[in-house]
Amino acid sequence: EPEVTQTPSHQVTQMGQEVILRCVPISNHLYFYWYRQILGQKVEFLVSFYNNEISEKSEIFDDQFSVERPDGSNFTLKIRSTKLEDSAMYFCASNMGGNTIYFGEGSWLTVV
Amino acid sequence: GQNIDQPTEMTATEGAIVQINCTYQTSGFNGLFWYQQHAGEAPTFLSYNVLDGLEEKGRFSSFLSRSKGYSYLLLKELQMKDSASYLCAVRVLLNSNSGYALNFGKGTSLLVTP
Repeated sequence: EPEVTQTPSHQVTQMGQEVILRCVPISNHLYFYWYRQILGQKVEFLVSFYNNEISEKSEIFDDQFSVERPDGSNFTLKIRSTKLEDSAMYFCASNMGGNTIYFGEGSWLTVV
Repeated sequence: GQNIDQPTEMTATEGAIVQINCTYQTSGFNGLFWYQQHAGEAPTFLSYNVLDGLEEKGRFSSFLSRSKGYSYLLLKELQMKDSASYLCAVRVLLNSNSGYALNFGKGTSLLVTP
């Protein structure tokens, strides 16, 4: 079964450093998402991306965040100048526009 | 704003039936989802309701009442592997071309005991 893949699975970074999280969505999907889940808290929507541009973003998705689809397969989340509170599991997700969103296994980011 | 409430924890016995409730207050409602999440893993899709009524899918069923802002997930014939967090999520469609955002509740941690 096709799946969303994410790399890295774990990353530790120093506060103030830039981080890029990578995702390969399911190949025929059209809509791409990033969610995050701080340890012990709920899954939170960050951003949706369609037709090579951001279509929706939450209040969390401020200027330190950016997304890009540099080629036909990768979908990246960049966090500039990471803060301690950015430590979380970041989930990439995709769908065709139907009802089921498929989540990747997540990238666990620890900012120290 | 949006408000999604579900119980924090529930415990049930293997082989039993458990009902996990979810209430929500939102504008622009466009469907309610249930996801299962094991610790440290990705949420996996269980069910979707957009119209009132019951959707059955094997051991799992989900019910929706839009007028009451209420849904439940029913798990039958509980197995030990069903111990997980169950996430209620509301879809709000803001832009017809945008896909959609899911707003998740905090999740209900279900423990299945022998």
